Amino acid sequence: AQSVAQPEDQVNVAEGNPLTVKCTYSVSGNPYLFWYVQYPNRGLQFLLKYITGDNLVKGSYGFEAEFNKSQTSFHLKKPSALVSDSALYFCAVRDTSGTYKYIFGTGTRLKVLA
Amino acid sequence: ETGVTQTPRHLVMGMTNKKSLKCEQHLGHNAMYWYKQSAKKPLELMFVYSLEERVENNSVPSRFSPECPNSSHLFLHLHTLQPEDSALYLCASSQDSGAETQYFGPGTRLLVL
Repeated sequence: AQSVAQPEDQVNVAEGNPLTVKCTYSVSGNPYLFWYVQYPNRGLQFLLKYITGDNLVKGSYGFEAEFNKSQTSFHLKKPSALVSDSALYFCAVRDTSGTYKYIFGTGTRLKVLA
Repeated sequence: ETGVTQTPRHLVMGMTNKKSLKCEQHLGHNAMYWYKQSAKKPLELMFVYSLEERVENNSVPSRFSPECPNSSHLFLHLHTLQPEDSALYLCASSQDSGAETQYFGPGTRLLVL
C-alpha cells in the first residue's frame, strides 16, 4: 500500500536558522511527490513537486526539497527561516497506478521563533 | 488565492439537519475534489469529479452526497450527519484528473452537534 509519513508533529526553529521538515514515502512505482502549506483558516497551497529529473527541487517562498530514492525521502528545506513560514506543512505522494489519488501525510506544524 | 472559493466558511448543524457546501473554481479546470481534514489525520479524499462525472467515491457514507452540475461548481449535500463528521471540508480543482497539481479552496469548518 502506498503511504506517506511525516514523523514530526511539530518542528520549532529560530528565525534565520535553516529548517527541515521530514517526509518519507512508500510507493510501488515511480513517485510523484509534493509539498503543500496550510496557513490558519486557509486551504492548502502548492509549494513544490518532484516528478522526474533533478533530485533537488526548488519551490515557492525560498523552499526546496530533495528527492532521495535510496532513503525514500523527500524532506522540505529552507536555508533561513522566517516567522511568516510558521504554518502546517503537508507532504503528499501521487498514486502512479493511474488513479487520481493524492496520499497525504498527517502534517507537520512548523513554528519559527523570533 | 481566489481561484477556488467555498461557502459557507463555517457551519454548525444538528444531526437531523440538511445542509449543502458549495465550491466554485474560477480556473477553467476540468476536475474537482472533496477532501475531509480532521485533526491529526491525513487528508481523506472523498470524491473526484472529472468533466462533471464522478470518477472516484472513496467509501464515503451515503449521508454525504456530492453534486457537480458543471465543471465550475461542486456541491456536497449533507444529511443526518454524526458528530464525528465534524471537520474541515476542502474543495480542490486541477486542470484534469491526471494533472499533478491541485488548487485548494479555504475550506468549510463544519461542526455537527
